[in-house]
Amino acid sequence: IAGITQAPTSQILAAGRRMTLRCTQDMRHNAMYWYRQDLGLGLRLIHYSNTAGTTGKGEVPDGYSVSRANTDDFPLTLASAVPSQTSVYFCASSDGTGGVKTQYFGPGTRLLVL
Amino acid sequence: GQNIDQPTEMTATEGAIVQINCTYQTSGFNGLFWYQQHAGEAPTFLSYNVLDGLEEKGRFSSFLSRSKGYSYLLLKELQMKDSASYLCAVVDSNYQLIWGAGTKLIIKP
Repeated sequence: IAGITQAPTSQILAAGRRMTLRCTQDMRHNAMYWYRQDLGLGLRLIHYSNTAGTTGKGEVPDGYSVSRANTDDFPLTLASAVPSQTSVYFCASSDGTGGVKTQYFGPGTRLLVL
Repeated sequence: GQNIDQPTEMTATEGAIVQINCTYQTSGFNGLFWYQQHAGEAPTFLSYNVLDGLEEKGRFSSFLSRSKGYSYLLLKELQMKDSASYLCAVVDSNYQLIWGAGTKLIIKP
Protein backbone atom coordinates (compact mmCIF):
# COMPACT_ATOMS: atom_id res chain seq x y z
CA ILE A 1 0.00 0.00 0.00
CA ALA A 2 1.46 3.34 -1.06
CA GLY A 3 2.11 5.87 1.65
CA ILE A 4 4.49 6.93 4.37
CA THR A 5 6.00 4.66 6.97
CA GLN A 6 7.72 5.71 10.17
CA ALA A 7 9.87 3.73 12.59
CA PRO A 8 9.89 3.08 15.42
CA THR A 9 6.22 3.33 16.39
CA SER A 10 7.22 4.34 19.89
CA GLN A 11 10.40 4.64 21.91
CA ILE A 12 11.54 5.35 25.45
CA LEU A 13 14.93 7.04 25.43
CA ALA A 14 17.35 8.06 28.15
CA ALA A 15 18.34 11.71 28.15
CA GLY A 16 21.65 12.31 26.42
CA ARG A 17 21.23 9.41 24.01
CA ARG A 18 21.27 9.77 20.23
CA MET A 19 18.21 8.67 18.30
CA THR A 20 17.21 8.56 14.63
CA LEU A 21 13.57 8.49 13.61
CA ARG A 22 13.06 6.96 10.21
CA CYS A 23 10.63 8.06 7.53
CA THR A 24 10.12 6.48 4.11
CA GLN A 25 7.60 7.31 1.40
CA ASP A 26 6.86 5.46 -1.82
CA MET A 27 4.76 8.10 -3.55
CA ARG A 28 7.78 9.77 -5.22
CA HIS A 29 6.85 13.06 -3.55
CA ASN A 30 9.46 15.78 -3.83
CA ALA A 31 8.85 17.53 -0.53
CA MET A 32 9.04 16.00 2.95
CA TYR A 33 8.53 17.43 6.42
CA TRP A 34 9.05 16.61 10.08
CA TYR A 35 6.60 17.93 12.68
CA ARG A 36 6.21 17.50 16.39
CA GLN A 37 2.79 17.50 18.03
CA ASP A 38 2.38 18.39 21.70
CA LEU A 39 -0.80 18.54 23.74
CA GLY A 40 -2.49 21.93 23.44
CA LEU A 41 -0.21 23.07 20.65
CA GLY A 42 -0.55 22.85 16.91
CA LEU A 43 1.78 20.82 14.76
CA ARG A 44 5.15 22.56 14.66
CA LEU A 45 7.54 22.20 11.76
CA ILE A 46 11.02 21.01 12.71
CA HIS A 47 12.74 20.63 9.34
CA TYR A 48 11.69 20.23 5.75
CA SER A 49 13.14 19.22 2.41
CA ASN A 50 11.81 20.53 -0.89
CA THR A 51 13.75 18.00 -2.94
CA ALA A 52 16.45 15.37 -2.53
CA GLY A 53 19.75 16.94 -1.52
CA THR A 54 18.23 20.05 0.10
CA THR A 55 16.92 20.71 3.60
CA GLY A 56 15.61 23.72 5.50
CA LYS A 57 14.85 24.74 9.07
CA GLY A 58 11.32 25.05 10.34
CA GLU A 59 9.90 26.72 13.42
CA VAL A 60 11.62 24.51 16.06
CA PRO A 61 14.85 23.08 14.59
CA ASP A 62 17.14 23.25 17.64
CA GLY A 63 18.37 19.85 18.80
CA TYR A 64 17.36 18.13 15.57
CA SER A 65 19.06 17.41 12.27
CA VAL A 66 17.90 15.87 9.00
CA SER A 67 19.32 14.58 5.76
CA ARG A 68 17.77 13.86 2.36
CA ALA A 69 20.08 11.59 0.42
CA ASN A 70 17.32 10.33 -1.88
CA THR A 71 13.66 11.00 -2.70
CA ASP A 72 12.18 8.30 -0.47
CA ASP A 73 13.93 8.70 2.89
CA PHE A 74 14.01 11.60 5.34
CA PRO A 75 15.50 10.60 8.72
CA LEU A 76 15.34 12.88 11.75
CA THR A 77 18.17 12.70 14.29
CA LEU A 78 18.22 13.85 17.90
CA ALA A 79 21.92 14.20 18.67
CA SER A 80 21.53 14.28 22.45
CA ALA A 81 17.94 13.83 23.59
CA VAL A 82 16.43 16.02 26.31
CA PRO A 83 13.10 15.56 28.16
CA SER A 84 11.55 18.54 26.33
CA GLN A 85 11.81 16.49 23.14
CA THR A 86 9.17 14.12 24.46
CA SER A 87 6.48 14.38 21.82
CA VAL A 88 4.73 12.68 18.93
CA TYR A 89 6.69 13.10 15.72
CA PHE A 90 4.99 13.06 12.35
CA CYS A 91 6.65 12.83 8.97
CA ALA A 92 4.73 14.17 5.97
CA SER A 93 5.22 14.50 2.25
CA SER A 94 3.73 16.49 -0.60
CA ASP A 95 3.89 16.30 -4.35
CA GLY A 96 5.83 19.22 -5.82
CA THR A 97 7.81 22.04 -4.31
CA GLY A 98 6.12 25.20 -5.53
CA GLY A 99 2.78 26.63 -4.56
CA VAL A 100 0.29 24.98 -2.27
CA LYS A 101 0.39 21.20 -2.00
CA THR A 102 -1.59 18.88 0.23
CA GLN A 103 0.56 17.16 2.83
CA TYR A 104 0.14 13.46 3.61
CA PHE A 105 1.20 12.18 7.01
CA GLY A 106 2.84 9.05 8.34
CA PRO A 107 1.47 7.24 11.41
CA GLY A 108 3.81 8.98 13.84
CA THR A 109 6.49 8.04 16.36
CA ARG A 110 5.74 8.48 20.06
CA LEU A 111 8.95 9.41 21.87
CA LEU A 112 9.43 9.62 25.63
CA VAL A 113 12.73 11.04 26.85
CA LEU A 114 13.50 10.36 30.51
CA GLY B 1 3.07 37.15 15.05
CA GLN B 2 1.08 34.36 13.49
CA ASN B 3 -1.96 33.03 15.27
CA ILE B 4 -4.60 30.40 14.57
CA ASP B 5 -7.51 30.10 17.00
CA GLN B 6 -9.91 27.18 17.32
CA PRO B 7 -12.12 26.06 20.20
CA THR B 8 -10.38 23.41 22.28
CA GLU B 9 -13.32 21.04 22.53
CA MET B 10 -16.90 20.72 21.29
CA THR B 11 -19.67 18.22 21.98
CA ALA B 12 -22.49 17.30 19.61
CA THR B 13 -25.17 14.66 19.26
CA GLU B 14 -25.24 11.86 16.71
CA GLY B 15 -27.31 12.89 13.68
CA ALA B 16 -26.96 16.60 14.39
CA ILE B 17 -24.94 19.37 12.70
CA VAL B 18 -21.84 21.01 14.17
CA GLN B 19 -19.78 24.02 13.05
CA ILE B 20 -16.11 24.26 14.02
CA ASN B 21 -14.67 27.75 13.69
CA CYS B 22 -11.13 28.86 12.93
CA THR B 23 -9.84 32.43 12.98
CA TYR B 24 -6.39 33.38 11.84
CA GLN B 25 -3.83 36.17 11.71
CA THR B 26 -0.87 35.26 9.55
CA SER B 27 1.87 36.85 7.45
CA GLY B 28 0.29 36.37 4.08
CA PHE B 29 -2.40 33.95 3.05
CA ASN B 30 -2.28 31.27 0.39
CA GLY B 31 -5.18 29.14 1.48
CA LEU B 32 -6.53 27.20 4.43
CA PHE B 33 -6.61 23.47 5.08
CA TRP B 34 -8.80 21.36 7.34
CA TYR B 35 -7.52 17.99 8.52
CA GLN B 36 -9.15 15.27 10.62
CA GLN B 37 -7.13 13.42 13.24
CA HIS B 38 -8.49 10.42 15.14
CA ALA B 39 -6.89 9.77 18.52
CA GLY B 40 -3.51 8.11 18.15
CA GLU B 41 -3.53 8.43 14.38
CA ALA B 42 -2.12 10.69 11.67
CA PRO B 43 -3.91 13.79 10.38
CA THR B 44 -5.78 13.17 7.13
CA PHE B 45 -6.76 15.79 4.55
CA LEU B 46 -10.37 17.02 4.49
CA SER B 47 -10.50 20.25 2.51
CA TYR B 48 -8.61 23.22 1.09
CA ASN B 49 -10.08 26.71 0.54
CA VAL B 50 -8.34 29.62 -1.13
CA LEU B 51 -11.33 31.62 -2.41
CA ASP B 52 -14.18 33.03 -0.33
CA GLY B 53 -17.28 30.94 -0.04
CA LEU B 54 -18.55 27.51 0.81
CA GLU B 55 -17.22 24.26 -0.60
CA GLU B 56 -19.27 21.13 -0.03
CA LYS B 57 -17.96 17.58 0.02
CA GLY B 58 -20.60 15.11 1.07
CA ARG B 59 -21.43 15.54 4.76
CA PHE B 60 -18.54 17.98 5.22
CA SER B 61 -18.44 21.60 4.04
CA SER B 62 -15.79 24.26 4.53
CA PHE B 63 -16.27 28.02 4.40
CA LEU B 64 -13.75 30.83 4.04
CA SER B 65 -13.90 34.61 4.48
CA ARG B 66 -10.50 36.12 3.75
CA SER B 67 -11.55 39.63 4.72
CA LYS B 68 -12.58 38.41 8.18
CA GLY B 69 -9.70 35.95 8.63
CA TYR B 70 -12.27 33.27 9.32
CA SER B 71 -13.14 29.76 8.29
CA TYR B 72 -15.47 27.06 9.52
CA LEU B 73 -15.91 23.36 8.98
CA LEU B 74 -19.52 22.17 8.94
CA LEU B 75 -20.28 18.54 9.64
CA LYS B 76 -23.81 17.28 8.93
CA GLU B 77 -25.58 14.07 9.95
CA LEU B 78 -22.98 13.40 12.58
CA GLN B 79 -21.82 9.83 13.06
CA MET B 80 -19.93 8.33 15.99
CA LYS B 81 -16.91 7.87 13.71
CA ASP B 82 -16.71 11.67 13.36
CA SER B 83 -15.37 11.83 16.92
CA ALA B 84 -11.88 13.19 16.28
CA SER B 85 -9.79 16.34 16.40
CA TYR B 86 -10.16 18.79 13.54
CA LEU B 87 -7.08 20.82 12.64
CA CYS B 88 -7.12 24.16 10.84
CA ALA B 89 -3.92 25.16 9.00
CA VAL B 90 -3.16 28.34 7.07
CA VAL B 91 -0.64 28.53 4.23
CA ASP B 92 1.47 31.62 4.85
CA SER B 93 3.42 33.85 2.46
CA ASN B 94 6.33 31.35 2.43
CA TYR B 95 3.95 28.49 1.58
CA GLN B 96 4.52 26.96 5.01
CA LEU B 97 1.56 25.58 6.98
CA ILE B 98 0.75 27.29 10.27
CA TRP B 99 -1.35 24.95 12.39
CA GLY B 100 -4.01 25.59 14.98
CA ALA B 101 -4.03 23.45 18.13
CA GLY B 102 -7.09 21.57 16.90
CA THR B 103 -10.67 21.14 18.09
CA LYS B 104 -11.57 17.87 19.79
CA LEU B 105 -15.11 16.90 18.73
CA ILE B 106 -17.01 14.51 20.99
CA ILE B 107 -20.11 12.86 19.55
CA LYS B 108 -22.71 11.55 21.97
CA PRO B 109 -25.42 9.03 21.06
